[in-house]
Amino acid sequence: GENVEQHPSTLSVQEGDSAVIKCTYSDSASNYFPWYKQELGKRPQLIIDIRSNVGEKKDQRIAVTLNKTAKHFSLHITETQPEDSAVYFCAASQRGRRALTFGSGTRLQVQP
Amino acid sequence: DAGVTQSPTHLIKTRGQQVTLRCSPKSGHDTVSWYQQALGQGPQFIFQYYEEEERQRGNFPDRFSGHQFPNYSSELNVNALLLGDSALYLCASSRQGNEKLFFGSGTQLSVL
Repeated sequence: GENVEQHPSTLSVQEGDSAVIKCTYSDSASNYFPWYKQELGKRPQLIIDIRSNVGEKKDQRIAVTLNKTAKHFSLHITETQPEDSAVYFCAASQRGRRALTFGSGTRLQVQP
Repeated sequence: DAGVTQSPTHLIKTRGQQVTLRCSPKSGHDTVSWYQQALGQGPQFIFQYYEEEERQRGNFPDRFSGHQFPNYSSELNVNALLLGDSALYLCASSRQGNEKLFFGSGTQLSVL
């Protein structure tokens, strides 16, 4: 089955700096890669996703890149703000399969 | 537009008991997935329901079972509770054929 590894487990940045979270996946058949943000005590919220036919996708301060050859994808947050502080999860799934396999999460802390 | 709703929000049970958790999907969604999130970990896929049938199952024992009703709502049942079943149980809904998952706030289950 699919295995998703995520690092770092914790990340502390100063407000205004950039943050990068990296994930690797094992199954070359995976073709959908979402990122979720989970604030303390709240539901995971989809913040951005990318499919395997695209190498990069941006949405305001958030971007995701995908390297299919190396089987890794990354989340980039620019101009970080204190409200970006949360746990971020990457995930992967295959077309036609219904389960998301999640990474273990990255706790991002943005220091004001 | 109501999002994914789950009940109850918190539940305390003792070992050996049985529990039922409930989920109502986001309006317009017909597919419900259940995930278990242990403290400090990413969500793990339990199973998915579509058209009132279990379509895919993760690596969970038969003690975990589910149901989907004609109105697309769903239940997760866990029998013979173990201490290790203590976790946040998340329901996610989607439209069949669309990978985007929308999560509920979860049910925090504590087994004593």
